[in-house]
Amino acid sequence: QVQLQESGPGLVKPSQTLSLTCTVSGGSISSGGYYWSWIRQHPGKGLEWIGYIYYSGSTYYNPSLKSRVTISVDTSKNQFSLKLSSVTAADTAVYYCARVCRGSSSDDYFDYWGQGTLVTVSS
Amino acid sequence: SYVLTQPPSVSVAPGQTARITCGGNNIGSKSVHWYQQKPGQAPVLVVYDDSDRPSGIPERFSGSNSGNTATLTISRVEAGDEADYYCQVWDSSSDLFYVFGTGTKVTVL
Repeated sequence: QVQLQESGPGLVKPSQTLSLTCTVSGGSISSGGYYWSWIRQHPGKGLEWIGYIYYSGSTYYNPSLKSRVTISVDTSKNQFSLKLSSVTAADTAVYYCARVCRGSSSDDYFDYWGQGTLVTVSS
Repeated sequence: SYVLTQPPSVSVAPGQTARITCGGNNIGSKSVHWYQQKPGQAPVLVVYDDSDRPSGIPERFSGSNSGNTATLTISRVEAGDEADYYCQVWDSSSDLFYVFGTGTKVTVL
């Protein structure tokens, strides 16, 4: 059973960089076949996809966040990470990491999720 | 970008059937996936590829997709089904690959 766990500061000051790490257990990121993603949820709102990474380091980001987002992978630690720069109060949200699975019609979905971590942007 | 529209809320009595719709332009040509999210918890995949269920998800959860509407059906609703439900598609035609619906709050009366 694959498990994902987010970790990182719960409070970030405005204009600083939000940094989170997702540790994967029960499966190896470097085995391939899956993308690894970050998704966020503003308080009381819906889900917003941030971006994904493959074990090779290949990434793709939500165009609305692309200028501020960096996702990286550390296969030796079976982890992948999110950095979001120049944060404002609008970046306050619960951040989830998730595994991307390719469906039978080559359409992707998220089959395993971390429990989520609340990040508040405030001085 | 592609837009998925869900009703904000659906109310259902225990034992009855809840139907949650997800509207999108020619959504029938895409695979639709559904997630259940209970308060304070992460989303859980309940249906993928329109109508398949992950292991551990009760048969009471089923899905269909045709034309401009996909539907998640919950049969014999239980109190524990009370949650927010989100549909999701993968839209390769836009820069935003992964699109989520607006979410539907299912209330068990």
